[in-house]
Amino acid sequence: EAEVAQSPRYKITEKSQAVAFWCDPISGHATLYWYRQILGQGPELLVQFQDESVVDDSQLPKDRFSAERLKGVDSTLKIQPAELGDSAMYLCASSLSDSVTGELFFGEGSRLTVL
Amino acid sequence: GQQLNQSPQSMFIQEGEDVSMNCTSSSIFNTWLWYKQDPGEGPVLLIALYKAGELTSNGRLTAQFGITRKDSFLNISASIPSDVGIYFCAGQLSGNKLVFGAGTILRVKS
Repeated sequence: EAEVAQSPRYKITEKSQAVAFWCDPISGHATLYWYRQILGQGPELLVQFQDESVVDDSQLPKDRFSAERLKGVDSTLKIQPAELGDSAMYLCASSLSDSVTGELFFGEGSRLTVL
Repeated sequence: GQQLNQSPQSMFIQEGEDVSMNCTSSSIFNTWLWYKQDPGEGPVLLIALYKAGELTSNGRLTAQFGITRKDSFLNISASIPSDVGIYFCAGQLSGNKLVFGAGTILRVKS
């Protein structure tokens, strides 16, 4: 069964360091999402791509976070510099671009711990 | 912004019991979805609801899209140990953007 691939699964870093997460969506899925999930809460959307274009980054802290999907396939989310409050699970999801069902398929996530 | 109020926050039930959880919002959504998340994993879609009043089943799971489009519930019948996890409701806004509730933690005593 096709899956959303994410790496790394776990990342421990010190504050002020740079971190990067990678996501490979399900083949053929044009829409890609990055969500952040703080422990004990539901996921919150950071950025949404349609192919290589950003369609929603209103909740992305742009002073330190950046995301790209240069060829419209895989994507990278970067944090620089990392802060203690960035500790969370970073979830990537994808969906068919013409889907009206809201059926997002999530990866296993990248858990970030900032010390 | 939109907020979903999900309840209860947690449940600890006996194996075999039925479970009910719900989600309410002050906003109208076009689609309601229910996801389950196991520890250390990403959420997995359980049921999607597309029409107000719709009642949908998936095995032991049953979910309904409220008539007002501002609420939804999920029932699990005859719970088993593998039902343990966190259940999230999500409402869909335009452009496939999802707003998630805070989750209901389900624990099952065998």
